[in-house]
Amino acid sequence: AQRVTQPEKLLSVFKGAPVELKCNYSYSGSPELFWYVQYSRQRLQLLLRHISRESIKGFTADLNKGETSFHLKKPFAQEEDSAMYYCAPATGTASKLTFGTGTRLQVTL
Amino acid sequence: DSGVTQTPKHLITATGQRVTLRCSPRSGDLSVYWYQQSLDQGLQFLIQYYNGEERAKGNILERFSAQQFPDLHSELNLSSLELGDSALYFCASSVRQGMTTDTQYFGPGTRLTVL
Repeated sequence: AQRVTQPEKLLSVFKGAPVELKCNYSYSGSPELFWYVQYSRQRLQLLLRHISRESIKGFTADLNKGETSFHLKKPFAQEEDSAMYYCAPATGTASKLTFGTGTRLQVTL
Repeated sequence: DSGVTQTPKHLITATGQRVTLRCSPRSGDLSVYWYQQSLDQGLQFLIQYYNGEERAKGNILERFSAQQFPDLHSELNLSSLELGDSALYFCASSVRQGMTTDTQYFGPGTRLTVL
């Protein structure tokens, strides 16, 4: 069965510390992978996707096909990074997203 | 606002009732997706429409139905409501027909509370 796992419900880090939000997937075929973010009281928005290989707001994500992982990383956390982060593979012609359970990132001073 | 809009923002109703949630996609987007976010199930894909036609179905109950109209807005109908249907319902839209590289843009959601 297709599945995406975000093992941490809550990740609390200090400002300036490195951040790694874990995502593992179990999919047949080659899914395209996305990270979505939801800031407090705001709508879900795309943070980045692996095919674009961009760095958005300092975040990067490397697809590791061997480990079937797509972890989200940032070298130095900022307070404004506090939000809910969802890993979401998409497959098939419908492009439907399958969301992980999400990880709440809390950046404290 | 040219983004995805959803109405109403909040809806409170009783078990057994029927409600309709409305979504207007971004200007130019032809695909509409519906998702349900609940505490126990997380964010789940329900259904997708492209230019008025159903394209994909996910974990959508038979009590739920949706449609996309010629002006491309979409409605999600929920009937015989149960307590467990209480959730945040998101609509998203994208430009093309479900290409895997397509970015989905989300609306603010409708919070449904069934009492």
